[in-house]
Amino acid sequence: GDSVTQMEGPVTLSEEAFLTINCTYTATGYPSLFWYVQYPGEGLQLLLKATKADDKGSNKGFEATYRKETTSFHLEKGSVQVSDSAVYFCALYTSGTYKYIFGTGTRLKVLA
Amino acid sequence: KAGVTQTPRYLIKTRGQQVTLSCSPISGHRSVSWYQQTPGQGLQFLFEYFSETQRNKGNFPGRFSGRQFSNSRSEMNVSTLELGDSALYLCASSPLGNREQYFGPGTRLTVT
Repeated sequence: GDSVTQMEGPVTLSEEAFLTINCTYTATGYPSLFWYVQYPGEGLQLLLKATKADDKGSNKGFEATYRKETTSFHLEKGSVQVSDSAVYFCALYTSGTYKYIFGTGTRLKVLA
Repeated sequence: KAGVTQTPRYLIKTRGQQVTLSCSPISGHRSVSWYQQTPGQGLQFLFEYFSETQRNKGNFPGRFSGRQFSNSRSEMNVSTLELGDSALYLCASSPLGNREQYFGPGTRLTVT
């Protein structure tokens, strides 16, 4: 079945460091891919998305490129801030199943 | 537009009791999904409703049930509560034809 695998955390970085959170997926169809972020005490928020191969999603300095050949959707940010500390979830959605598949989440902690 | 709202935000119940959680989606959204989030299991899909019909269901026992009303508001019910049901229950809504999900802040359920 469809699945999402993302790197285990926690990831601890200093402010202004480069961030990469790896995400790979398995899907039988042509999924849409998403990154969601969850701040403490809140629900998830959509961070960015890509709906087809080679699409790049971007928002708030974060980027991820839909790589069909490597079935990956890695999240990157050039310079993290303390306010980026949160849990990040990679997810996929395949038409026909009407079901989202979420990764286990990666906790990011940014130190000042 | 107002976001997804969930009530109550916090709930404490005793083992064996039942509980009903409520979710009001964003105006115009017809799809509502429910998730259980725990530190050990991560984010697990419970079920999805679209136009008052359950369109998809996760792997949870029959004690977990839901419904959706004609105004798209949704409720989920858990009967015969167990200690392991303690979790954050998240509701998410989606507009028709859009794969993005918009999450509410969640209901924190504690079973003692």
